Amino acid sequence: GQQLNQSPQSMFIQEGEDVSMNCTSSSIFNTWLWYKQDPGEGPVLLIALYKAGELTSNGRLTAQFGITRKDSFLNISASIPSDVGIYFCAGQLGSGGSNYKLTFGKGTLLTVNP
Amino acid sequence: GAVVSQHPSWVICKSGTSVKIECRSLDFQATTMFWYRQFPKQSLMLMATSNEGSKATYEQGVEKDKFLINHASLTLSTLTVTSAHPEDSSFYICSAKAWGSNQPQHFGDGTRLSIL
Repeated sequence: GQQLNQSPQSMFIQEGEDVSMNCTSSSIFNTWLWYKQDPGEGPVLLIALYKAGELTSNGRLTAQFGITRKDSFLNISASIPSDVGIYFCAGQLGSGGSNYKLTFGKGTLLTVNP
Repeated sequence: GAVVSQHPSWVICKSGTSVKIECRSLDFQATTMFWYRQFPKQSLMLMATSNEGSKATYEQGVEKDKFLINHASLTLSTLTVTSAHPEDSSFYICSAKAWGSNQPQHFGDGTRLSIL
């Protein structure tokens, strides 16, 4: 089956620093999604990418859909303490039925030191 | 927009009890809903996919008679853990998706289930 490799597994940074994390896949996805999960809560959608090569921003967050459709990265600029949490990438194959299923990366735990 | 409400947020019950968890899309019609299970410090594991008005599709290894899923309307899906045992204790999360390939999954806040 499809697998996503998400890296790094964890990051410890100082407030104000920029952060970058990425996901790579052994096969193609047609949609890439980035979610953030706080302890004891469900994942919250940060950015959705639907087109290869697409670069999308959401405030201090920027994500790109790799041109090969097998990778995506998420950048966070000027980190703040509330950025702490686990970030998950997820790939969706396509449209209809089981193709709507998401394959998740294992997550990146971000810690921001004030 | 795209709010998904999950209830209850936590439940503690005795072994052998059946527990029902509700997942509601509050401001959109969810043609597809998903149920996940998450163990501590791990990623989300898909249990089943349900389309409104159809039987759920379960992932390999998930017992359909143990985890009953009903998706009777475009805004509500329920997961019933039947005759729950301590090994069923986990964090259960639902997600909901509107029709269309460009509609992402939006997640509820999860239900912490503890079976004594």
